[in-house]
Amino acid sequence: IAGITQAPTSQILAAGRRMTLRCTQDMRHNAMYWYRQDLGLGLRLIHYSNTAGTTGKGEVPDGYSVSRANTDDFPLTLASAVPSQTSVYFCASSTEASSYNEQFFGPGTRLTVL
Amino acid sequence: GEDVEQSLFLSVREGDSSVINCTYTDSSSTYLYWYKQEPGAGLQLLTYIFSNMDMKQDQRLTVLLNKKDKHLSLRIADTQTGDSAIYFCAERGGGYQKVTFGTGTKLQVIP
Repeated sequence: IAGITQAPTSQILAAGRRMTLRCTQDMRHNAMYWYRQDLGLGLRLIHYSNTAGTTGKGEVPDGYSVSRANTDDFPLTLASAVPSQTSVYFCASSTEASSYNEQFFGPGTRLTVL
Repeated sequence: GEDVEQSLFLSVREGDSSVINCTYTDSSSTYLYWYKQEPGAGLQLLTYIFSNMDMKQDQRLTVLLNKKDKHLSLRIADTQTGDSAIYFCAERGGGYQKVTFGTGTKLQVIP
């Protein structure tokens, strides 16, 4: 693994189903983020984690949950998917060791909820 | 909360200069960034500027920051077809690693 990986690459999901998007990084970054990207709305922060064991709510957290059991993994769960959660989801990480805090992004997961 | 705004679309001819503009509201911004997203990929940092700087140049890229007007711009000289992408402006407030992204500007380069 090099950088950030996300799985699955894409998924079609029936409304009401539960879904977990996976994110793993191998850079030992302390902070991780989940964003959704929608046309005309840019990137919106769903949840974030400043360090393992802590999480926080972003701009659009409703309907999503996260956990950060260790440094490397930051899964995003949709407990009961709805069509408005159709989007492209990006995981990212950054390190406080960098003064300018560059965020490194995964390749994204395209999710369609029908 | 913080807000970052950009125009959604820009079209330029190959060889011309492109200027992508951004406005933001957070007066405590410490770093401002430009990220590039190529089709089907995640974002990658293109360049950044610290808030006490007015300008930063990096090869074909020039970043201008007007802190008084909270306006950031990215100029790409001699724009190439490979520059076609979505460009996101972003800002980071003091003391946090969280970053607020703009809506993104899709740059189309016409051969």
